[in-house]
Amino acid sequence: SAVISQKPSRDICQRGTSLTIQCQVDSQVTMMFWYRQQPGQSLTLIATANQGSEATYESGFVIDKFPISRPNLTFSTLTVSNMSPEDSSIYLCSVEGQRDYNEQFFGPGTRLTVL
Amino acid sequence: DQQVKQNSPSLSVQEGRISILNCDYTNSMFDYFLWYKKYPAEGPTFLISISSIKDKNEDGRFTVFLNKSAKHLSLHIVPSQPGDSAVYFCAASANSNSGYALNFGKGTSLLVTP
Repeated sequence: SAVISQKPSRDICQRGTSLTIQCQVDSQVTMMFWYRQQPGQSLTLIATANQGSEATYESGFVIDKFPISRPNLTFSTLTVSNMSPEDSSIYLCSVEGQRDYNEQFFGPGTRLTVL
Repeated sequence: DQQVKQNSPSLSVQEGRISILNCDYTNSMFDYFLWYKKYPAEGPTFLISISSIKDKNEDGRFTVFLNKSAKHLSLHIVPSQPGDSAVYFCAASANSNSGYALNFGKGTSLLVTP
């Protein structure tokens, strides 16, 4: 499976600021996914990012709040904009499996706390 | 709307015994199911999966059973080991505009005691 890293691993931010989370994969992948896990909740898909096209956002998530970049086949960023305490979550990127596209492999996550 | 449900938030099992984690889903379009294991401060780790065309998949100590008519799947771990203590997430997918995006349950925290 691919090795996935995320930066930062955690951060504490002030209300109204923005944070960009980076996701790096050690191999080329077509699809990357961004998820959020709020405290006590399940993982929820924010958007799907294909290289060379705009991200596809799930219901309840919008580009202005969570802009995503996908400049190449090994890298993506998610920005959490104009943060509020409700954005405090773990943010995870994942990639499709290379052996089986149905499988996904996750990065270690970014723990965000908004004060 | 939670399409994948894990109704047991926690489970405690003795070492050597069988652990059974359950998962129910509501969307009949789901055609692929996965189990993930998550330790604190780490991302979910893929464990085992099953396609909707099968009713059982086995990998070492882990077996997943799928009952499509009941929209239910379960993960069996036998024998359970203390290192299996973690949160287990059930996930399901259906091919859509989001690709094979996963829908997750809330997780079951498994504690295997010596």
